Amino acid sequence: EIVLTQSPGTLSLSPGERATLSCRASQSVSSTYLAWYQQKPGQAPRLLIYGASSRATGIPDRFSGSGSGTDFTLTISRLEPEDFAVYHCQQYGSSPYTFGQGTKLEIK
Amino acid sequence: EVQLVESGGGLVQPGGSLRLSCAASGIIFSNYWMSWVRQAPGKGLEWVANIKPDGSEKNYVDSVKGRFTISRDNARNSLYLQMNSLRAEDTAAYYCARGSGGYILYWGQGALVTVSS
Repeated sequence: EIVLTQSPGTLSLSPGERATLSCRASQSVSSTYLAWYQQKPGQAPRLLIYGASSRATGIPDRFSGSGSGTDFTLTISRLEPEDFAVYHCQQYGSSPYTFGQGTKLEIK
Repeated sequence: EVQLVESGGGLVQPGGSLRLSCAASGIIFSNYWMSWVRQAPGKGLEWVANIKPDGSEKNYVDSVKGRFTISRDNARNSLYLQMNSLRAEDTAAYYCARGSGGYILYWGQGALVTVSS
């Protein structure tokens, strides 16, 4: 099974700043089958990015994904107050599909 | 509007059983792979199982193999998760999810399962 490790565990930033979240896989993720989700307290996750870099419908362009192989990045170019949440990465290139442990983005 | 509504969660003793249901609307249910994903309190997400549109293929995470069974009824637009031999570590919110080539496009609101004596 592919293990995904997200870093940092917690990221403290201010609105307007740039956020860079990392997701590293224990083995290569085939065909960039990597997704990112945002989750707010008490809510289900929401899809942000699929295929490593494709934004889901309705997701603002301040969110971008990049990477391939074992190293992937989610970047939020300019943080808005509503962006403070937990972010999860997921690989769906090989079964069992696996998630990272999450990065909490908190207001500094 | 796509809606996935889970039911059947609750408190169960270790070794007990529970059956989760998910009612889908707003989608052509029989066209899609469906999944269950769980989240233990304060923890990350864990993919549990998925099932092919016609029910002919099912996949499970190792920790639930032999104990959980995923099934579907396309005539009723419903997904199920039969959970047997439950353990404390199965305590989690269980989300019904509609995949799209592996990533999750739609999520239910979650059903809470607590395994405790």
